[in-house]
Amino acid sequence: EAQVTQNPRYLITVTGKKLTVTCSQNMNHEYMSWYRQDPGLGLRQIYYSMNVEVTDKGDVPEGYKVSRKEKRNFPLILESPSPNQTSLYFCASRTGAPLYNEQFFGPGTRLTVL
Amino acid sequence: RKEVEQDPGPFNVPEGATVAFNCTYSNSASQSFFWYRQDCRKEPKLLMSVYSSGNEDGRFTAQLNRASQYISLLIRDSKLSDSATYLCVVNKDTNAGKSTFGDGTTLTVKP
Repeated sequence: EAQVTQNPRYLITVTGKKLTVTCSQNMNHEYMSWYRQDPGLGLRQIYYSMNVEVTDKGDVPEGYKVSRKEKRNFPLILESPSPNQTSLYFCASRTGAPLYNEQFFGPGTRLTVL
Repeated sequence: RKEVEQDPGPFNVPEGATVAFNCTYSNSASQSFFWYRQDCRKEPKLLMSVYSSGNEDGRFTAQLNRASQYISLLIRDSKLSDSATYLCVVNKDTNAGKSTFGDGTTLTVKP
């Protein structure tokens, strides 16, 4: 089954404790993205990757890191989480150009930073 | 001003009603446009791509107006199952990896 998986689905942590949220897709997609969704603010893009070893900042990259060492995986790293990073996080993937391509989303990771 | 703005909603309509959502975008160079549906904080799923000539899929019609920089979604004969949040998405021309979502419009269809 074609899908995007994220782990963990739920996480409660404390300020400053490094964490990684994993994202994996089995569709051989070139593009992958991370978004956060907060009430009243919609989905905001954190980082995206257009292929292996090619990443770029989205609209809200501060406090996050990403890497793309393999095509299928795109982990999101919070080196020192803070309470304002409490949010619902989605990973997404799609094929490369042309532009009219559907993004497939993972089920989301609900993160709480105390 | 936000890059992508949607009708704030919420829209509460009876079954069978026709409802329309608008979404405006500020970057005139934007090239691709989409409507996604999101149920109750689950993952968004593609509803429709929006083509320059407009397109229809069953009860759903999407339109693009480049001159006025907005896209619209029309739902005819609304069903209870149409209750969801509808997100418009705009991809910029200069970098196809970057996507901007609107804040979403919530629709509730009532019996």
